Amino acid sequence: DQQVKQNSPSLSVQEGRISILNCDYTNSMFDYFLWYKKYPAEGPTFLISISSIKDKNEDGRFTVFLNKSAKHLSLHIVPSQPGDSAVYFCAAVRGLFQGAQKLVFGQGTRLTINP
Amino acid sequence: KAGVTQTPRYLIKTRGQQVTLSCSPISGHRSVSWYQQTPGQGLQFLFEYFSETQRNKGNFPGRFSGRQFSNSRSEMNVSTLELGDSALYLCASSLGGRPPVLRDGSSLRYYYTFGSGTRLTVV
Repeated sequence: DQQVKQNSPSLSVQEGRISILNCDYTNSMFDYFLWYKKYPAEGPTFLISISSIKDKNEDGRFTVFLNKSAKHLSLHIVPSQPGDSAVYFCAAVRGLFQGAQKLVFGQGTRLTINP
Repeated sequence: KAGVTQTPRYLIKTRGQQVTLSCSPISGHRSVSWYQQTPGQGLQFLFEYFSETQRNKGNFPGRFSGRQFSNSRSEMNVSTLELGDSALYLCASSLGGRPPVLRDGSSLRYYYTFGSGTRLTVV
């Protein structure tokens, strides 16, 4: 049962334009969502997070939008830079305030920024 | 602070063998979680240890086991290796308790920290 899904395995965007990565989830009990960036043979690096009580969170070039009714979130990167080329993972956690640690990840989207 | 250290970085084993991977969390972190990354499957949760006790377990067979020591270092063991166990194994370190005040949804940036992983190849 894939509770978190990233339906686009890859995305190609021109440098300077907006990159939009999407993520869908099925479990309405998730209370936090996170986006990670990952290079091969390295661990995921945190990008941005959002609580289920919010609908938007912004940090520099990164903005995450959460649509709870659609069980959908998206990561916007503006402007896109060559260094943004990596695999991006969406993750969710349930019960964080009760100490739960388990992150449920999507399958990832490979973002390529073209010069 | 030193980061999360996973050893070894690379490992090649033969089917049927067993393997032990190690994860040293950030100093002061009491929770260690393990994840398996395979192509097309994303990162799958294996288990989490907190204060030497397994608190949560994913849907993996009993061949996958782990433990945590009093200094919070954790080991993961896979017995009777199969070709399908070839993967990148990642551990994540965290304080493990209730996160800092996040009622407004502010950042979890420093809550979880991942190691660089151990690449296991089973031949």
